[in-house]
Amino acid sequence: AQTVTQSQPEMSVQEAETVTLSCTYDTSESDYYLFWYKQPPSRQMILVIRQEAYKQQNATENRFSVNFQKAAKSFSLKISDSQLGDAAMYFCAYRTRPLVFGKGTRLSVIA
Amino acid sequence: NAGVTQTPKFRILKIGQSMTLQCTQDMNHNYMYWYRQDPGMGLKLIYYSVGAGITDKGEVPNGYNVSRSTTEDFPLRLELAAPSQTSVYFCASSTYRESGANVLTFGAGSRLTVL
Repeated sequence: AQTVTQSQPEMSVQEAETVTLSCTYDTSESDYYLFWYKQPPSRQMILVIRQEAYKQQNATENRFSVNFQKAAKSFSLKISDSQLGDAAMYFCAYRTRPLVFGKGTRLSVIA
Repeated sequence: NAGVTQTPKFRILKIGQSMTLQCTQDMNHNYMYWYRQDPGMGLKLIYYSVGAGITDKGEVPNGYNVSRSTTEDFPLRLELAAPSQTSVYFCASSTYRESGANVLTFGAGSRLTVL
């Protein structure tokens, strides 16, 4: 069975600083996809970034980037220049089909 | 663009009551999903559908039923509500792509409390 583990239930970061959220997963598949979703207090799930497992290059979306280590089954999210609007629950997710979510990391941004 | 619309946003049920959570999407997505999110937990898949007329069980299907008579609609039915079904429910949809890199579009969620 595929599992996704987020070992940091809560994190905090100073505004304008950088924070890294950890995610590991377990799978026997060779072709799959990894995602980070953000859930602000509005509860809406918003896609932050995605990574195809067959691509060695780490995905980047503006201030968000990932460190994808396929052999280690690790998929961490780095948020640079943290902003107050980044405060939310962040969920790592894995999929072949369908999507498997981790338990989430609550990020607080300190002004 | 409406995206994925869920109704109701909030509902309180008594044990044993029945109800249907409605979900509709206007993006012509083939895939639709129902997840539940318990406090402090990630989302768990209840049911999903790969197209009209086709549904399949997810990780936690017990106590729920779904139907997919149209591409747009994917209602979730609770027949005999139990306190264990107190949760926030999310409907989502995605396109089908051969690569499998489907990005899900989520609804705003429905908070259900069973007393």
